[in-house]
Amino acid sequence: GAVVSQHPSWVICKSGTSVKIECRSLDFQATTMFWYRQFPKQSLMLMATSNEGSKATYEQGVEKDKFLINHASLTLSTLTVTSAHPEDSSFYICSATKGFPGLAGGPGTGELFFGEGSRLTVL
Amino acid sequence: AQSVTQLGSHVSVSEGALVLLRCNYSSSVPPYLFWYVQYPNQGLQLLLKYTTGATLVKGINGFEAEFKKSETSFHLTKPSAHMSDAAEYFCAVSEPKDYKLSFGAGTTVTVRA
Repeated sequence: GAVVSQHPSWVICKSGTSVKIECRSLDFQATTMFWYRQFPKQSLMLMATSNEGSKATYEQGVEKDKFLINHASLTLSTLTVTSAHPEDSSFYICSATKGFPGLAGGPGTGELFFGEGSRLTVL
Repeated sequence: AQSVTQLGSHVSVSEGALVLLRCNYSSSVPPYLFWYVQYPNQGLQLLLKYTTGATLVKGINGFEAEFKKSETSFHLTKPSAHMSDAAEYFCAVSEPKDYKLSFGAGTTVTVRA
């Protein structure tokens, strides 16, 4: 199978502190990871695309200095919410892929595997 | 750019009845289409996907969807609803080259006993 795990599942922090969320691919090497944000009763909004060993690509409107993404290895990407405020409270979900069919360097499957999500509450 | 419209934010069905969730997409290139299910406070689980080939796609838990290019639709169906099908369902589209998903707003399914 292909398992993606996020940690922590729940985190509560004080306003002004920083929080790190980890996304790990447990049984495969993830060439690309995606970070999403989901508000209550709403859909998932893509925040950024993370490729191992390179800088993340952020979607329009997402503050890169606020949401720091690091993809240091093929099995780990981290999202750090810096100087968190109550409006940053949300459900953050990561997904990972083994690769994309047709691209040089590997066949891949193109399928995305999602983590369980991390709920951040900023007081 | 791609986008997805899910018709109906909430669907209520009786146990044993047909489940039909509607999804229409917009894409400038032949799309990849997906249906995901989300249970409360959990991540997303892939139900099924269409990339190329057969337009009727069968997924897990008895779900299936049909890609209709002429109607730009990818509706999800299940012949007989089960209580465990109560969840949030998301339709998503991507371009084949990058798998960057654009999600619909979601449809909440409730199942009545």
